[in-house]
Amino acid sequence: AQSVSQHNHHVILSEAASLELGCNYSYGGTVNLFWYVQYPGQHLQLLLKYFSGDPLVKGIKGFEAEFIKSKFSFNLRKPSVQWSDTAEYFCAVNTGGFKTIFGAGTRLFVKA
Amino acid sequence: DTAVSQTPKYLVTQMGNDKSIKCEQNLGHDTMYWYKQDSKKFLKIMFSYNNKELIINETVPNRFSPKSPDKAHLNLHINSLELGDSAVYFCASSPRTTTYEQYFGPGTRLTVT
Repeated sequence: AQSVSQHNHHVILSEAASLELGCNYSYGGTVNLFWYVQYPGQHLQLLLKYFSGDPLVKGIKGFEAEFIKSKFSFNLRKPSVQWSDTAEYFCAVNTGGFKTIFGAGTRLFVKA
Repeated sequence: DTAVSQTPKYLVTQMGNDKSIKCEQNLGHDTMYWYKQDSKKFLKIMFSYNNKELIINETVPNRFSPKSPDKAHLNLHINSLELGDSAVYFCASSPRTTTYEQYFGPGTRLTVT
């Protein structure tokens, strides 16, 4: 069965630190990959997506993610986090049908 | 303009009651979903409708019955509520593209006492 693994459940960083959140999936075919963000008390919002082309994709608020097919990974990065980045981050995989599988989420807390 | 809206935002009820959550999207999307997010923030798909037809039903108890009167609406009715139904329920929609990116509603926090 398809699955999505997010390696870190909780991450605590100071402002200006660099961020990398890991995401791995299990599926051998073509995938669409997403990172969603859920700010405290809010709904999920799309941060960025990959479906083809350049494996390095840029999203909103300075986030980027790199798709490495050989590693089945889609890690999220940001060079310098801000207090306002405190949120829950979800990696998600769609294999071309109507079903999207979400990872368990990573809770990021940024200390001011 | 709200893209995906849900009502109510909060729902507190007792075990055994029946309740409904409504969802509407004004994005013109063909596909709508219901997700359940538990207390550990784990997000799991429950149902998916495409053009008013049920596409996905993820081993959800029969007490949960979705209804899609038209493409813009997907409601969720829950019978005989149980304590374990307490969660945040998110509605989402996605356009007819090849990427299936999703647009989420604000969520309905259901508390069963």
